[in-house]
Amino acid sequence: DIQMTQSPSSLSASVGDRVTITCRASQGISNSLAWYQQKPGKAPKLLLYAASRLESGVPSRFSGSGSGTDYTLTINSLQPEDFATYYCQQYYNTPPLTFGGGTKVEIK
Amino acid sequence: EVLLVESGGGLVQPGGSLRLSCAASGFTFSSYWMHWVRQAPGKGLVWVSRINSDGSSTTYADSVKGRFTISRDNAKNTLYLQMNSLRVEDTAVYYCASMGYCGGDCYLDYWGQGTLVTVSS
Repeated sequence: DIQMTQSPSSLSASVGDRVTITCRASQGISNSLAWYQQKPGKAPKLLLYAASRLESGVPSRFSGSGSGTDYTLTINSLQPEDFATYYCQQYYNTPPLTFGGGTKVEIK
Repeated sequence: EVLLVESGGGLVQPGGSLRLSCAASGFTFSSYWMHWVRQAPGKGLVWVSRINSDGSSTTYADSVKGRFTISRDNAKNTLYLQMNSLRVEDTAVYYCASMGYCGGDCYLDYWGQGTLVTVSS
């Protein structure tokens, strides 16, 4: 199984900050990566897929990049509604689909 | 509007059974692969199972293989998860999710609100 490791596990940031979250796969996943946002008590929401493709309706301040084993989610100009937990998920080698452990973005 | 609504969760004793349902609307359910993903309290997301569009192919996480069965009724636009021999460690919110139209496993584009399963004596 491909293991997904996210870092950091949590971070504190202020409104307007630029935030970067990293996801590392245990082997190359050829951009077969999705990012999700989850708010407390709510279902996850798809933000990006294929590492860098923005899902319809997602604000353009969210972006993704990377290749091989290392991928990044960037939030430019953090907004109050962006405080949440973010997960990466690989779909290169399945089953199983595997998720990262999550990164909680908190208000500084 | 795509809508996925899970039901069937609740409190069950270890060794017991439960069947979850996921009612789908707002899209052509019979064309899409569907998944179950769970989340233990305060923990991360864990994939559970997947079924293809016509129900002929299913896959499971090792932790539930042989105990859980995923199925679907395309005439009723409903996805199911039959859970047998439940363990305390199966306690979680269970989400159903639809998969992008990829031709193979990929990202999960729509999620239900989840249903809580608690396994406890």
